[in-house]
Amino acid sequence: DAGVIQSPRHEVTEMGQEVTLRCKPISGHNSLFWYRQTMMRGLELLIYFNNNVPIDDSGMPEDRFSAKMPNASFSTLKIQPSEPRDSAVYFCASSSSAGAALAQHFGDGTRLSIL
Amino acid sequence: AQSVTQLDSQVPVFEEAPVELRCNYSSSVSVYLFWYVQYPNQGLQLLLKYLSGSTLVKGINGFEAEFNKSQTSFHLRKPSVHISDTAEYFCAVSVRDDKIIFGKGTRLHILP
Repeated sequence: DAGVIQSPRHEVTEMGQEVTLRCKPISGHNSLFWYRQTMMRGLELLIYFNNNVPIDDSGMPEDRFSAKMPNASFSTLKIQPSEPRDSAVYFCASSSSAGAALAQHFGDGTRLSIL
Repeated sequence: AQSVTQLDSQVPVFEEAPVELRCNYSSSVSVYLFWYVQYPNQGLQLLLKYLSGSTLVKGINGFEAEFNKSQTSFHLRKPSVHISDTAEYFCAVSVRDDKIIFGKGTRLHILP
């Protein structure tokens, strides 16, 4: 049973470049979450989707960040333009029901470094 | 609004000794409570959860936690730790919506 799949695992790019992070949730899960983890701020929820619809994007730091979920099996988190302070580990998680607190399954993350 | 406080950022403990990782939460309504574990270079994995019923919850890898409503606590315990338990542990709270609020994490260091 495949878990949540994130790509790439590592990304290093120069500031000003566009960065796209990808996530494939577990098949049959209908809620998807994007988190950012840093030493200073810990684990922060950026945005979550239910049935492909964004429900809460209040954690998205600014307009440079955008997320989409065009179908039930794919989501992207885009940063344009990127800045050094965006360096972090970005996690995607999915769960099988609304009221999705019951069990979130995390991917292994994308470690993003903006030079 | 809900919040979670993990009282220790790091906990060193000798192998085969017992351990307790402390967690307090704040909420004006009933909550769900969780402990997640993060091994190096991996995502978070659910250790255990409290939804309702018995206040003592057993999870994977020999961990358990006790929900104490009067003290608003949900401390994680293991009677005998192993080197493989070295990881970061996150306490989390939810109030029956889709969002989970995570604590800052506690790093568990197992000493030989």
